[in-house]
Amino acid sequence: EAAVTQSPRNKVTVTGGNVTLSCRQTNSHNYMYWYRQDTGHGLRLIHYSYGAGNLQIGDVPDGYKATRTTQEDFFLLLELASPSQTSLYFCASSDGGSNERLFFGHGTKLSVL
Amino acid sequence: GDQVEQSPSALSLHEGTDSALRCNFTTTMRSVQWFRQNSRGSLISLFYLASGTKENGRLKSAFDSKERRYSTLHIRDAQLEDSGTYFCAAEAGNNNAPRFGAGTKLTVKP
Repeated sequence: EAAVTQSPRNKVTVTGGNVTLSCRQTNSHNYMYWYRQDTGHGLRLIHYSYGAGNLQIGDVPDGYKATRTTQEDFFLLLELASPSQTSLYFCASSDGGSNERLFFGHGTKLSVL
Repeated sequence: GDQVEQSPSALSLHEGTDSALRCNFTTTMRSVQWFRQNSRGSLISLFYLASGTKENGRLKSAFDSKERRYSTLHIRDAQLEDSGTYFCAAEAGNNNAPRFGAGTKLTVKP
């Protein structure tokens, strides 16, 4: 089974704070994704990547940067956190190509006070 | 705009009954997948379909193979442990990422 590990599991910061969420997958998947989950919206796509050095913009990118440093590692950066970014963040990976089956991490709960 | 429309948004069942959840897509999709989110927030993969149907125990999912514009998830003989929020996600191809519906919150009562 694919392994996707997110850290931290929980994070509390203040408005204007700088936050980095980390995600590592160990199954040599090409694609990685960051989603946020809020009540009433399901999971919404923030950014995704086809491979190391690649970045694609998702549907709710404002206020977020992302960087794919290696095939295994995908980071989500909030440089000036706002209370509207309080959410549950999920990272996922997939093989890509004709197989987009998603494998999820356990999520990171972020609170911006 | 939203590509994946999920219905119903909430559903309450008694144990032993059957139900069907549905996802409609505003465009042709290449694949669909279904998840259940448990009370701890973990997303459990149920099915991944590029076409046709798949069955696993009391769960069965179908993906419209002609128009590729909807998918269904059938739950037979609902049990208490089926409670949770069910999500579908669909991907349009051409390196597009999967997009999610807003979810169906299922409550199974004794």
